[in-house]
Amino acid sequence: AQTVTQSQPEMSVQEAETVTLSCTYDTSESDYYLFWYKQPPSRQMILVIRQEAYKQQNATENRFSVNFQKAAKSFSLKISDSQLGDAAMYFCACNTPLVFGKGTRLSVIA
Amino acid sequence: DAGITQSPRHKVTETGTPVTLRCHQTENHRYMYWYRQDPGHGLRLIHYSYGVKDTDKGEVSDGYSVSRSKTEDFLLTLESATSSQTSVYFCAISEPGLAGVKVDTQYFGPGTRLTVL
Repeated sequence: AQTVTQSQPEMSVQEAETVTLSCTYDTSESDYYLFWYKQPPSRQMILVIRQEAYKQQNATENRFSVNFQKAAKSFSLKISDSQLGDAAMYFCACNTPLVFGKGTRLSVIA
Repeated sequence: DAGITQSPRHKVTETGTPVTLRCHQTENHRYMYWYRQDPGHGLRLIHYSYGVKDTDKGEVSDGYSVSRSKTEDFLLTLESATSSQTSVYFCAISEPGLAGVKVDTQYFGPGTRLTVL
C-alpha cells in the first residue's frame, strides 16, 4: 500500500522569505506522479505542482519548485518570495490511486 | 478551473436517513472519485469510477455506495447516515496518465459539507 508522510504539521514563514515543506512517500509502482495541492480557507483543493517520477528534472511553477529525490522517496516543496496568499494547508500526494499526506498548515507572517 | 460542481454544498441530516451527493463534470474525463476529508486524516478515497457503470472501492468504502450512469455524473449515497459520516466530501476527476501511469492529475470540486446529527 502507498503511504505519504508529511512530518511538519505546521510551518510559518516571513513574507518575502523562502520556506520548504517536507514529504516522503512509499509506493510499489514503478511509474507514478507526485503532487502538491494547496487548500486555502475556501476549502478548494488547488493543484500547485506536479512531478512525473520518470523525469529527473525537478518541476517548477513560478515561485514554487520541488526537490525530488527518487531513491530517497522524498518530494519537498519550496516556496520562494512567500506571499500572504500562500497561507493555506498544503497536501503532498502520490498516485495511483491518489494517496494524501495529512497536510502542513503554512502561516505567512507580514 | 475544471468544470466540476457538487450538490448540495451543505447538508444537515439526521442519523438513519439516506443521503445522496451529486458530482457533475463538463470535462468528459474518464475517471471520477469521491473522497472524504476529516481533521488529522487528509483526504481518503471512498469510491472511484473508471467509466460508465464501472466503479471500485477505495480505502474507506464501508457505509457508502456509488453509481455512474452517465460520463458526467457520479453519485455518492449514504444508505443510512451515521454521525461518523459527518465530513467534507470532495469529488475529483482525471484522465488516464502517460508512460505507464494509470491516472493523471486529479482536479477537485468545491466540496460538500455534510453534518449528520
